[in-house]
Amino acid sequence: EPEVTQTPSHQVTQMGQEVILRCVPISNHLYFYWYRQILGQKVEFLVSFYNNEISEKSEIFDDQFSVERPDGSNFTLKIRSTKLEDSAMYFCASSGAGGTGMQYFGPGTRLTVT
Amino acid sequence: QKEVEQDPGPLSVPEGAIVSLNCTYSNSAFQYFMWYRQYSRKGPELLMYTYSSGNKEDGRFTAQVDKSSKYISLFIRDSQPSDSATYLCAMPAVVQGAQKLVFGQGTRLTINP
Repeated sequence: EPEVTQTPSHQVTQMGQEVILRCVPISNHLYFYWYRQILGQKVEFLVSFYNNEISEKSEIFDDQFSVERPDGSNFTLKIRSTKLEDSAMYFCASSGAGGTGMQYFGPGTRLTVT
Repeated sequence: QKEVEQDPGPLSVPEGAIVSLNCTYSNSAFQYFMWYRQYSRKGPELLMYTYSSGNKEDGRFTAQVDKSSKYISLFIRDSQPSDSATYLCAMPAVVQGAQKLVFGQGTRLTINP
């Protein structure tokens, strides 16, 4: 069964460093998403991406964040200068359709900023 | 008022019991409703996806939607220890064709053997 994959599973970085989180969505999907979950809190939407551009972004997704689909398979989230409060689980998701499509999530990357 | 509210639990029941998990929502624009299961430190796994008011059954799981009351439920019959997880309700807000899922807090469920 197709699945969303994410690498790395755990990333430790120092405050102020840049990190890139990688995702391989399900191959025939067209819509891509990033969410995050701070420990003990809700899963929160960060950004949606379709047709090589951002469809919507949340207030969390400020200038320090960017997304890219560098080739036909990968989807990345970059945080330019990490802060302590960026420590969270980051989930990538994809769907084959937009408004009515079911979103499938990857296993997540646990980001720890020290 | 929060867009989606869900009792965080924890909820602990004996094996074989019927479990009822619930969410309320405030945005009447929500048209689709999803339930995800999340094991500790894992990604959410899609369990159920419903659109209309009424019931949808899949094996031991039944999703119920009451749009007039803005209330959704997930029932688990013959609960098993492997059902122990956090259950998240989620509703998509659609913008320019893409979705933005709005999640509940999640209910942590433990099934005791």
